[in-house]
Amino acid sequence: NAGVTQTPKFQVLKTGQSMTLQCAQDMNHEYMSWYRQDPGMGLRLIHYSVGAGITDQGEVPNGYNVSRSTTEDFPLRLLSAAPSQTSVYFCASSYLKASGSRNEQFFGPGTRLTVL
Amino acid sequence: AQSVTQPDIHITVSEGASLELRCNYSYGATPYLFWYVQSPGQGLQLLLKYFSGDTLVQGIKGFEAEFKRSQSSFNLRKPSVHWSDAAEYFCAVGGSSNTGKLIFGQGTTLQVKP
Repeated sequence: NAGVTQTPKFQVLKTGQSMTLQCAQDMNHEYMSWYRQDPGMGLRLIHYSVGAGITDQGEVPNGYNVSRSTTEDFPLRLLSAAPSQTSVYFCASSYLKASGSRNEQFFGPGTRLTVL
Repeated sequence: AQSVTQPDIHITVSEGASLELRCNYSYGATPYLFWYVQSPGQGLQLLLKYFSGDTLVQGIKGFEAEFKRSQSSFNLRKPSVHWSDAAEYFCAVGGSSNTGKLIFGQGTTLQVKP
């Protein structure tokens, strides 16, 4: 199993550009999520999904869109990049079923995004 | 409000010394508690978790943590630190709902002196 994969590893954008961060998992996990990591702020949840066709907002959703058309993929779209979105982005997935958030979340290696 | 606080942003210990990383949480329901470790340039890896039963839980790499409900704490410990333990450590809390959401603390960076 490849686990959770993210592409690209690094990206530089100009203000106003759009792009999609890709995330895929091959563990048949129901739950997938996107976090951003900023110094001194830990990981903050952007969006999450509990299954194909179901998404919801996390703590910091503004400026980001997501969709979940398949169990495996959960792309994160930046509609109009801003310097405040410079961050490291992590995708994570886990089983859900009846155990809720007690299940281990598996993290991808991250995407380092810089917005100039 | 639900939150996790890691009071120590940065800790330095000597190799072979003991380690304790603090974590305090605020959560309205029965909490599920986690410690994750992040090595430089890597994603996060689960060290250990607690959701019921024995309040002292063992994890990987020789780490353990103790859940103290009265103090709303879930401190991470290791008796003897190795240079390879240098990393950033995150405490997280979740609940019994089926959303799978976790709330993370700010992280503690551990530096190990030779």
